[in-house]
Amino acid sequence: QLQLQESGPGLVKPSETLSLTCTVSGVSISRSGHYWEWIRQPPGKGLEWIGSISYSGTTYYKPSLKSRVTISVDMSRNQFSLKLNSVTAADTAVYYCVRGYDQNFDPWGQGTLVTVSS
Amino acid sequence: QTAVTQEPSFSVSPGGTVTLTCGLSSGSVTSNYYPTWYQQTPGQAPRTLIYNTNTRSSGVPDRFSGSILENKAALTITGAQAEDESHYYCVLLTSSDFWVFGGGTKLTVL
Repeated sequence: QLQLQESGPGLVKPSETLSLTCTVSGVSISRSGHYWEWIRQPPGKGLEWIGSISYSGTTYYKPSLKSRVTISVDMSRNQFSLKLNSVTAADTAVYYCVRGYDQNFDPWGQGTLVTVSS
Repeated sequence: QTAVTQEPSFSVSPGGTVTLTCGLSSGSVTSNYYPTWYQQTPGQAPRTLIYNTNTRSSGVPDRFSGSILENKAALTITGAQAEDESHYYCVLLTSSDFWVFGGGTKLTVL
């Protein structure tokens, strides 16, 4: 069964870099047709797609975040990662890692709350 | 950037039918945007209801259906039940290969 699990610090200081890792189990991260996505949700607000990396390593980023975001893959560990630099309070959110396949985001990780605060 | 629009809130009576929509700030939604609908209850990750416009995800009751109506993607719940009270989000794949979520609709069943 395909499962995803986010990990990383729950508190990040303003201007620093948010780093999260998603561990994928149940399928190889290099499997054809799969995309590995990051989506976030500020407390009490809606969902926001951050970006993704394809099975072949191509990255796609939300234009307004592109200058601050890097998504990468570690094939040896079957993990993919998110780095978001120069964070502010506006980046406080629950961050989800998700599998994209057949134009569908499924399944989702449980989500991890990252708070930006000094 | 393209904005995706949804009704902020909607109400339906138990057993009733409701249609939520998902539009674009500029232009019409077609199946080429691969509209997808998610249901989210508080504290939980979203759950796929409908993808590729009208494909029901595994395990989703058949009272949920997707379509294109008057240039918007639509999610129809026929015979709403109390457990359908939730937030509903649509997402579209724009021409520049970016996914854009709508702001979500809070559905009340009463």
